[in-house]
Amino acid sequence: AQKVTQAQTEISVVEKEDVTLDCVYETRDTTYYLFWYKQPPSGELVFLIRRNSFDEQNEISGRYSWNFQKSTSSFNFTITASQVVDSAVYFCALSEPLETGANNLFFGTGTRLTVIP
Amino acid sequence: DVKVTQSSRYLVKRTGEKVFLECVQDMDHENMFWYRQDPGLGLRLIYFSYDVKMKEKGDIPEGYSVSREKKERFSLILESASTNQTSMYLCASSLIGGRNEAFFGQGTRLTVV
Repeated sequence: AQKVTQAQTEISVVEKEDVTLDCVYETRDTTYYLFWYKQPPSGELVFLIRRNSFDEQNEISGRYSWNFQKSTSSFNFTITASQVVDSAVYFCALSEPLETGANNLFFGTGTRLTVIP
Repeated sequence: DVKVTQSSRYLVKRTGEKVFLECVQDMDHENMFWYRQDPGLGLRLIYFSYDVKMKEKGDIPEGYSVSREKKERFSLILESASTNQTSMYLCASSLIGGRNEAFFGQGTRLTVV
């Protein structure tokens, strides 16, 4: 069974601090994809990044970086020099490709990040 | 600009009513999903569909059904609404294949009284 765990329910940081959001997943598939989404106060989830199970390179995009470690089944997300606009709920998700070509998409419970000015 | 549109932002229904939540996407996506979002529980998958008239149960299908008669439209049906179905409902769509990200609608906050 697939499972995504985000153990941090809520995190508060002061502006300009760095913060890491943890994501641990479970799957029996050898091919899978991991995602991070952001849900700002407006409510609509926004895609941030995708990583496939064969690509363990870390990625950096501006102040955002992601660390994928297959050995520990983790896909952590770091925001450097946090800003108030980063305040949101962040979700980690795991995609399970099915034989039909469709894919299921399992989400974690989310981490609410509050950046205090 | 890609778009997933849910028919209502807020909805109030009475216990026992049959409720339809509609979702339309304009991206010609094969996959469509219905989730419910509750505090502390994250997004839980109710049903998904990978083609017209095809559907698969998610984690919590009980009390719900779905309909996909056209590729762009995916409806969630609450056969007899109950108060424990009060929640935020999110529709999403994606191209077929596990690597493709999902695009989400703005959500429907349903209250059953």
